[in-house]
Amino acid sequence: DQQVKQNSPSLSVQEGRISILNCDYTNSMFDYFLWYKKYPAEGPTFLISISSIKDKNEDGRFTVFLNKSAKHLSLHIVPSQPGDSAVYFCAACHTGANSKLTFGKGITLSVRP
Amino acid sequence: GAVVSQHPSRVICKSGTSVKIECRSLDFQATTMFWYRQFPKQSLMLMATSNEGSKATYEQGVEKDKFLINHASLTLSTLTVTSAHPEDSSFYICSAWGSYEQYFGPGTRLTVT
Repeated sequence: DQQVKQNSPSLSVQEGRISILNCDYTNSMFDYFLWYKKYPAEGPTFLISISSIKDKNEDGRFTVFLNKSAKHLSLHIVPSQPGDSAVYFCAACHTGANSKLTFGKGITLSVRP
Repeated sequence: GAVVSQHPSRVICKSGTSVKIECRSLDFQATTMFWYRQFPKQSLMLMATSNEGSKATYEQGVEKDKFLINHASLTLSTLTVTSAHPEDSSFYICSAWGSYEQYFGPGTRLTVT
């Protein structure tokens, strides 16, 4: 039972354009969502998060949107840069519990120069 | 920002031996740490929650006698893979919560020959 789903395994965009990475979840108890960037053989690096009381959070080139009714969130990167090429994981947790993170399978983003 | 370190970064051991992996929070205290495992091109799978001064909580399907976790201090958790087999070869990552996000260690690549 996959509670966090990243249905697209990969995405390729042109440098300077917008990258939109999608994530869906099924557990209505999730109230905190995070995006991580990961390179092979390294630990994930935190990018941005959003609480369920918000529908948007922005940090520089990264913006996360949350649609609670659709149980959907997305990460927007604009403008995309070649250095953004990596695997992006969506994660969710229920902060009222022990705050265990549940991860999606990840999306491989390739930004073409 | 907060930093989580892991040691060793990679280890090769023979089948039947035990391997210990250390996870340290470098500039903050962590009463709870998490241990994940990642197979190639797969998501991060939570193995267990390490609790300082008490027993770890294991996820379903994870053998607690095989993956021994000790959280003896507020800055150190250890994962010992006992009687390792080739199928235990994987990338092991630990994490701990900071103020708003989980910080991840750089990971440990375990290869069992």
